[in-house]
Amino acid sequence: NAGVTQTPKFQVLKTGQSMTLQCAQDMNHEYMSWYRQDPGMGLRLIHYSVGAGITDQGEVPNGYNVSRSTTEDFPLRLLSAAPSQTSVYFCASSYGGSSGNTIYFGEGSWLTVV
Amino acid sequence: AQRVTQPEKLLSVFKGAPVELKCNYSYSGSPELFWYVQYSRQRLQLLLRHISRESIKGFTADLNKGETSFHLKKPFAQEEDSAMYYCALRGPHPGYSTLTFGKGTMLLVSP
Repeated sequence: NAGVTQTPKFQVLKTGQSMTLQCAQDMNHEYMSWYRQDPGMGLRLIHYSVGAGITDQGEVPNGYNVSRSTTEDFPLRLLSAAPSQTSVYFCASSYGGSSGNTIYFGEGSWLTVV
Repeated sequence: AQRVTQPEKLLSVFKGAPVELKCNYSYSGSPELFWYVQYSRQRLQLLLRHISRESIKGFTADLNKGETSFHLKKPFAQEEDSAMYYCALRGPHPGYSTLTFGKGTMLLVSP
């Protein structure tokens, strides 16, 4: 059972480039989300999804796009990378619907924008 | 809006000393709180949650609704406890599927 899988683990981008961080889960979870982790800021929610075809913005959505065409996948797209998007990105998933459900995290993707 | 506050960015202790990582929260309903740990450049690991009342790696945390706190404690710190610790509160988005994190406390345990 793979859980939540993120790719790539490490990436260096040039300013202005676009890229997609992949996130896949094999637990048939309805709910998925993306966070970014920055020193002194903790983890902040970028976007989340409550099911296939349904996404919404979190706390820091600017510069990022998401889509949820399948239950399993929730890719995060950087449209035009900026140095301020240098961060560690975590994908998470859960059944949701009630408190007590475990939220599972991926291993993280370390992104540097130069 | 719900909020999690971890007042200390860095906590430095000697091996064998007691540790207390502070966490305060703001939430209007019945909170569900967690502690996560992240060792250097690794994934977030769930350390404990208040509803299970477990003790993991010698750490405990008690929810104090009167003081709106969920402090993490360990009586005798070990060098391998050195890591970043995050307190988190479930919510506020639909399905109880997201978490609000504090800014984290780096714990350094010296020999």
